[in-house]
Order: sequence, then structure tokens, then C-alpha cells
Amino acid sequence: DGGITQSPKYLFRKEGQNVTLSCEQNLNHDAMYWYRQDPGQGLRLIYYSQIVNDFQKGDIAEGYSVSREKKESFPLTVTSAQKNPTAFYLCASSKVPGYEQYFGPGTRLTVT
Amino acid sequence: GQQVMQIPQYQHVQEGEDFTTYCNSSTTLSNIQWYKQRPGGHPVFLIQLVKSGEVKKQKRLTFQFGEAKKNSSLHITATQTTDVGTYFCAGGDNNNDMRFGAGTRLTVKP
Repeated sequence: DGGITQSPKYLFRKEGQNVTLSCEQNLNHDAMYWYRQDPGQGLRLIYYSQIVNDFQKGDIAEGYSVSREKKESFPLTVTSAQKNPTAFYLCASSKVPGYEQYFGPGTRLTVT
Repeated sequence: GQQVMQIPQYQHVQEGEDFTTYCNSSTTLSNIQWYKQRPGGHPVFLIQLVKSGEVKKQKRLTFQFGEAKKNSSLHITATQTTDVGTYFCAGGDNNNDMRFGAGTRLTVKP
């Protein structure tokens, strides 16, 4: 059963802590993406990776970090430097850049 | 970087009425994609347009890509309650970098 998974669905953290969000895909897609969605807002690109061991900053990369050591995995770390981390985080993948994107179910992060 | 503007931000219609959302870019796009996100869900791909002036239909949904490849629209005929959700466009540049619009949230009154 192919797809893209994110875990956990809900995540709660205290201010000042780093937290890592998981994203895994078994679609054999080259490209993977991380987006942030705030209530009533669109999708803002945090980081993307077009191929293993390579990634680029998106429009709002400050306070976030990623790695792409395996084709299937693209974890996102929300660092304590991110000033307003509470949001809905969506991971997506596409066969190659520019093709349709498949989204995971998302992780809702709350930092207090 | 490229920006994609989408209007309106919200649209509330009576069931059976038509609905249209518009997407505009200041730069020429290589392609445009449309997605639907149901309340509480994640975006799901609807369609991709790549040719100038292209028109595609999916049942009650009609998608258009402008002649200059700078704008696009999604039109829904005779809305149903199942059409509720937020519709996003995403425009691609020559490097295949996609950027999403802010979305149009559609609510339908039965």
C-alpha cells in the first residue's frame, strides 16, 4: 500500500525545545517537500529536496532544518530559533520536481 | 521569487450556485496545478495544466490556463455540499519550483 506518512498526528512541546517531525514515503519519489499551514492560510514552503543528499531552502526556512539521507525519508526539525512554531506541518512528495504532489496527513504542532 | 495570488479568499454559496476561483502570477508559469483540501484534511491533487489556453473538465469542474500562462481559473458548476473545502492553485516556474496560492475557502449552504 503506497503512500506518504507523517507522525505523530499531534505533537506538543515546550518552548525552547527542538522537535523533529517524521515524513516517510514508499512511492519511490525523488522530490520531497515541507510546508507550513497556519489557520486560514495557504501553504508556505519551508524546505524541499529534489534528490537524496540534497535540499534547498524554501520561502520560510529560518528556524528549521532538514536532512535527506535516504530517498524515503525527509525529517524536519523545528528548532528553538523558530519564533512562532505552532502550526500544521505538511510533507509532500512528487515523482520529480514539477509533477503532482502527494501530501501526507500532516502533523499539528503546538508549542507552549 | 515567484508569487501566485489567488482570489477570492472566501466564497460562500447556496447549493446549486456556481463557484469560480482565480489564480494570477506576475511571471509566466511553466504549468499550474490545482488541489483541494477538505476541512481537517490534506491537499489532494486535482489536475495539471501545461499548455497556453488549455481547458480541462472533470465532471462539474472546469479548469483553464490563460493564453499568456500567467493566470488560471477553476469553475464549479452547480455546487454540492461535497464541494466544500479550500481550493489551492500552485504555479511552476522554469525550474519546476512550485509555489502555492493562499487558497479559496468554499462553503456551501444546503
